[in-house]
Amino acid sequence: DTEVTQTPKHLVMGMTNKKSLKCEQHMGHRAMYWYKQKAKKPPELMFVYSYEKLSINESVPSRFSPECPNSSLLNLHLHALQPEDSALYLCASSPLYLDQAADTQYFGPGTRLTVL
Amino acid sequence: EDQVTQSPEALRLQEGESSSLNCSYTVSGLRGLFWYRQDPGKGPEFLFTLYSAGEEKEKERLKATLTKKESFLHITAPKPEDSATYLCAVQAMNTGFQKLVFGTGTRLLVSP
Repeated sequence: DTEVTQTPKHLVMGMTNKKSLKCEQHMGHRAMYWYKQKAKKPPELMFVYSYEKLSINESVPSRFSPECPNSSLLNLHLHALQPEDSALYLCASSPLYLDQAADTQYFGPGTRLTVL
Repeated sequence: EDQVTQSPEALRLQEGESSSLNCSYTVSGLRGLFWYRQDPGKGPEFLFTLYSAGEEKEKERLKATLTKKESFLHITAPKPEDSATYLCAVQAMNTGFQKLVFGTGTRLLVSP
C-alpha cells in the first residue's frame, strides 16, 4: 500500500482565518514533505521532516507553520495568508532507506486552497 | 546547477499511436531519476525510479529508459485514459537525499 491521505480536499479561507491541512501515511516512512503547486508548474518544496524533526525549510514565510506530531502525521498550519498563496498543497512521504541510492517520494491527492 | 528539461511541452496522439517523452538532465551526480503521472487537480502518481544508465522499467503500456544524459518514457498503443501530465524529477548527489529537481512536465492528450 503506497497511500498518503490528505484532508480537507478543498479549503476556502479569508486572509484573517487560521486553518490547518492534515496529512497521514501508514507505510512506515520516516520522511514527510509539504509542497506547493501552482497551475501548470511543477511542485515546489516547502518543508521536510526526517525522523519527526524539521530538516529542510525552503525559506517559507512564517504564515505557514509545519508540525509533525508523530511519524505518521504531518500538519500545515495556516495564518494570515495572502491571495497569492492559493494553490494545490501536496504532502509526500518517503522511506528514507539510507542504504538505497535514491529515496522515492509518494504523493497524496492534495488540498486545493483558495484564499479570498 | 542541477537542471531537468522535458520535451515536448505538450503532445497530442491518436489512440494507438505510440510515442516517447524526453527528459534531459544535468546533475553533478545522479542518485535517481523519477517519473510521475499527474491528473488535473490531483497529486503526482509514482510510476518509476531509475538508478543507473542502461536501466529499463515497464508498467502496462509505459516503459522508462535511462542514459547518462536523458530518460525516455515510451508509451505503446496509448489509450485516452493515459492522458495526463508526465513529470520527470532527479535526485542529485550534491542536494541530498530528499530534494527533487522537477522538469516542467509534458502534457499528453490521447484522442479516441
